[in-house]
Amino acid sequence: QVQLVQSGAEVKKPGASVKVSCKASGYTFTGYYVHWVRQAPGQGLECMGWINPTSGGTDYAQKFQGRVSLTRDTSINTAYMELNRLRSDDTAVYYCARGGNGHAFDIWGQGTMVTVSS
Amino acid sequence: DIQLTQSPSFLSASVGDRVTITCRASQGISRSLAWYQQKPGKAPKLLIYAASTLQSGVPSRLSGSGSGTEFTLTISSLQPEDFATYYCQQLNSYPRTFGQGTKVDVK
Repeated sequence: QVQLVQSGAEVKKPGASVKVSCKASGYTFTGYYVHWVRQAPGQGLECMGWINPTSGGTDYAQKFQGRVSLTRDTSINTAYMELNRLRSDDTAVYYCARGGNGHAFDIWGQGTMVTVSS
Repeated sequence: DIQLTQSPSFLSASVGDRVTITCRASQGISRSLAWYQQKPGKAPKLLIYAASTLQSGVPSRLSGSGSGTEFTLTISSLQPEDFATYYCQQLNSYPRTFGQGTKVDVK
C-alpha cells in the first residue's frame, strides 16, 4: 500500500545535528513533492519545507532557513530532513508527508520523535 | 505568512451532535484549504481538500465549505471515532500554515 516510513526516535545534545529519513513505497516517488512538518509536544503543526523528488528543488519556511536541509535519494525512494544547530525548542515529532490532491498532504509518515537535551 | 485562526479552540459535544468548526484566513486564499483530523500519538489524516472535496474513504457526515477567508468543517452527526483534534491548512502559498487546532472532546 501507499506509505511513508520514517526512521526511529533520536536523542541529541544542543548544537548537534539530526537527520531523519522518509522511505516511500506503493507509489511513484518522483511523482509527488515531499513536505516536512513538525509538532512540538502538546502544540500544533508547523511546516518546515518541501522537496521536489524529481529535480531536488527545495523551499524552506523562513523560520528554518539556514538550519534545515532537505535531500532525496531516488534510487531508494527516500527523502531526508537534516536539522542543524539543534536547540531544546526543536524537541518535537517530525513528519514527512506527500503533497497529493490539491497540494494537500494526503499520506503521512508515522512521525519521528527528536529530543534535544543536555 | 498567511495566518489561520480556528474557532473554537475547544469544543465539548455528545454523540449525535452537529458540530461546526470555523477557520479564518488573514488574506484571501480562494478555495485552497484542507482539513485534517489528528488523534493522540498519531499522524494527521487528510479529510477534505480544496475546501469541500472529501478525501477518499472519509465518511459523508463530514463536509467542508467556504472560500476566500472564511471556511467551515461540519460533522453532521458526531460519532465516537470523531473525538479528536482538527486542523485547517492553507494551500495557497508557502509555508503551508495550519490553524492552531480545535479539540473535540466528550461532553
